[in-house]
Order: sequence, then C-alpha cells, then structure tokens
Amino acid sequence: DTAVSQTPKYLVTQMGNDKSIKCEQNLGHDTMYWYKQDSKKFLKIMFSYNNKELIINETVPNRFSPKSPDKAHLNLHINSLELGDSAVYFCASSQEWDRDSEQYFGPGTRLTVT
Amino acid sequence: AQSVTQPDIHITVSEGASLELRCNYSYGATPYLFWYVQSPGQGLQLLLKYFSGDTLVQGIKGFEAEFKRSQSSFNLRKPSVHWSDAAEYFCAVGAGGSYIPTFGRGTSLIVHP
Repeated sequence: DTAVSQTPKYLVTQMGNDKSIKCEQNLGHDTMYWYKQDSKKFLKIMFSYNNKELIINETVPNRFSPKSPDKAHLNLHINSLELGDSAVYFCASSQEWDRDSEQYFGPGTRLTVT
Repeated sequence: AQSVTQPDIHITVSEGASLELRCNYSYGATPYLFWYVQSPGQGLQLLLKYFSGDTLVQGIKGFEAEFKRSQSSFNLRKPSVHWSDAAEYFCAVGAGGSYIPTFGRGTSLIVHP
C-alpha cells in the first residue's frame, strides 16, 4: 500500500490553463505539506496544513491554492499556469506538527507548462 | 536564517568503495540535521537525523553521519556502496521554531560497477 500518493504523476499543459494535483496519505497523519522542486533540484516548502488548518504559506503566488477536505487529503490547485510553474511538486505528511516528526514524501508530480 | 551547502553536485564511486557526502550548515545555535535520499522517480526518504546527543548517528541502509559543530558539518558516510545506492542525496537543516527544514541542492551519487 502506498503511504503518500499523488495524482497525476505527469502533467503537461499549456500556459493559462488551470490544473489540480491531488494528494492522499493513508498513514493517519495530522500534518501535510506541498513542496516544489525546481530544475536545479532545490526543494522549497510551499504550504503546510495541520489538522486541515493552514499553518505555513510561503511566498507563493495567489494562483496556487491548497485545499484540505480532510486530514488525509491535501490538493493543490493552480490557476493561470505559467512557464515558471514547471517543476516537480511533492506532497508529504508527518504524524504531527513537530520538528521531530519524520516527513513521508509522495512520488512527485512532474508538471510541464508549454 | 539557517542555510545548508552541499558542495558536490555529483559524486562517482565504484561499487564496494567507501562514500562520504559533504554537508555544511549555517546557523548560530545547534541545528537539527537530516539526510534524505531520492531514488529516480521517487519521493524523498529519510535516511537519518540528528537533534542532540551522540554526534555519530546511524541511519537506514547502512548509512551514518557525524555532526561536527566546530566545522559546521554533517557529512554522510557509508563504508561500502552498492549499485542500488545510486540516487540523489539531500542534506537539510532546521532551526529554532521552524519545523520546516531548509534543503540543500542535493548531491547526485553515481555508482560504477
């Protein structure tokens, strides 16, 4: 059983479109995250939710909107896609909102904007 | 704010050889430190972490890392590399009230047979 799953794995779309990436974790964790990994492999936190409440919102354009319908899901919706949004997006989860709590990562969604 | 540097973009070793991946951090107090591995097409997996106590930390898959405060380093080691260790390795540092670590740019490990 996959602990943290993301769909789709690959997403190719044109500039200006709106797309969503879904994330689900079956670990019973309270905290979920979205990271962006750029072409140089730098990994940066975008959002974090704890018990469905937004607790971290880094300097991310308003075109990105996370939604957590329940503790097991954290989806990422992106409006008006731009070329610079091309990256690999990782979802992760941890047992709780604590620095000692190991993060479990999903396999990533490779987004290509043309 | 904390930062982390992985000076080597690529490292090539022969199978069976020893490995050391370098990581240097910048932070005024004692940080908490992590090493993650990312296999091709996969998400990141935690290898080991250091918060306090013994400065030599054992992790999964036969890896270990040593925290050296005087050198601001947290280098990852493995005595004998296997072909399946070929992957991207990320060092990360967390500090203070932040529960989100800052990641380095990664070191790509290539293993020759």
